[in-house]
Amino acid sequence: AQSVTQPDIHITVSEGASLELRCNYSYGATPYLFWYVQSPGQGLQLLLKYFSGDTLVQGIKGFEAEFKRSQSSFNLRKPSVHWSDAAEYFCAVGVSGGGADGLTFGKGTHLIIQP
Amino acid sequence: ETGVTQTPRHLVMGMTNKKSLKCEQHLGHNAMYWYKQSAKKPLELMFVYSLEERVENNSVPSRFSPECPNSSHLFLHLHTLQPEDSALYLCASSQDLPDTQYFGPGTRLTVL
Repeated sequence: AQSVTQPDIHITVSEGASLELRCNYSYGATPYLFWYVQSPGQGLQLLLKYFSGDTLVQGIKGFEAEFKRSQSSFNLRKPSVHWSDAAEYFCAVGVSGGGADGLTFGKGTHLIIQP
Repeated sequence: ETGVTQTPRHLVMGMTNKKSLKCEQHLGHNAMYWYKQSAKKPLELMFVYSLEERVENNSVPSRFSPECPNSSHLFLHLHTLQPEDSALYLCASSQDLPDTQYFGPGTRLTVL
């Protein structure tokens, strides 16, 4: 079965600084990869996704992520964070068929923005 | 209404009550999902429906009973729940399987 690891439970970044959130997955083939963001009391909002093609994908709110097959990683980056980026970030893996058509999520990374 | 909506947003129930959570998607999607989000645990996939047929049941206790009467609506019927069932229950939909999933705001459930 597939799995997702987000090694950082909390990350604190100063406003205006760059950000990288780590995500590693375990799956035998190329999975579908997603990053979602969740604000308190809200559902999950899709930031970006990777299905195939260019390994650097652009998302909303200035986020990007790079798929690295050799490292089984899909790290999320932003060059300059804003206070409104404070939220919980989830990496997810999707696979096809075999009775596993939902997403498998990491435990999330809580992003704190310092003024 | 647009996107995925869920009602109620908050629910408090006793262990002997019966209640239902409702999800509606206005995106014309063919697949719908229930997830459970507990504190300090990853989101757990509970059920998957595609074209109103259940395609996945992730060993969920029978006190949770899903229903998908059409491709736009999904229910989660609850009965004789336990306090450990308190969580945020999220509904999602996607065009097909597998595909990008779009989430509702969730129902915060508290079982007393």
